[in-house]
Amino acid sequence: GAGVSQSPSNKVTEKGKDVELRCDPISGHTALYWYRQRLGQGLEFLIYFQGNSAPDKSGLPSDRFSAERTGESVSTLTIQRTQQEDSAVYLCASSLGLGGNQPQHFGDGTRLSIL
Amino acid sequence: DQQVKQNSPSLSVQEGRISILNCDYTNSMFDYFLWYKKYPAEGPTFLISISSIKDKNEDGRFTVFLNKSAKHLSLHIVPSQPGDSAVYFCAARGSQGNLIFGKGTKLSVKP
Repeated sequence: GAGVSQSPSNKVTEKGKDVELRCDPISGHTALYWYRQRLGQGLEFLIYFQGNSAPDKSGLPSDRFSAERTGESVSTLTIQRTQQEDSAVYLCASSLGLGGNQPQHFGDGTRLSIL
Repeated sequence: DQQVKQNSPSLSVQEGRISILNCDYTNSMFDYFLWYKKYPAEGPTFLISISSIKDKNEDGRFTVFLNKSAKHLSLHIVPSQPGDSAVYFCAARGSQGNLIFGKGTKLSVKP
């Protein structure tokens, strides 16, 4: 399909392990966002990429979280030394960019469970 | 402190009637608002948006109203259908382009 694709859809891991989550945005979308949704909460912004500009990392909750993006395509979100409070659904979204009012389109997320 | 608030965690409506979902925000600098619909185990799906220069935007059965002076927006769905049953999120665009979400309202449309 032509939508945002995320993998894996589910990930269960032990506390202290590192995890890597992947996002394939919609082709042609220059802006890419990562959010997370904890149980019973709204979506919480994590990090944002726009074209080749330096990413906006203002939402990352700790230095255990990092993200990369290759050009205007795939992005990976890495969580090092996972903690139980990292358990959440991690959602990726992409949009055409900042020009005008462009809605963000979301993938189905990765459900991360830390044991 | 929440900048976008959806004060009703749930709403139940009869099929064919109007559903009204409400949202309040605190930051008068927000200039673009969106509504998303979310089914379990799926990502949010974009429904409709409105710029702060407008007070109404309509798309089929969905209409969003914006009252800037009250910092309030609402989503009207008419007529409501059972397939509309989902969690609805209100969002405002932040200064970095990120979306700031409310906690959602779970809509149940009864046949």
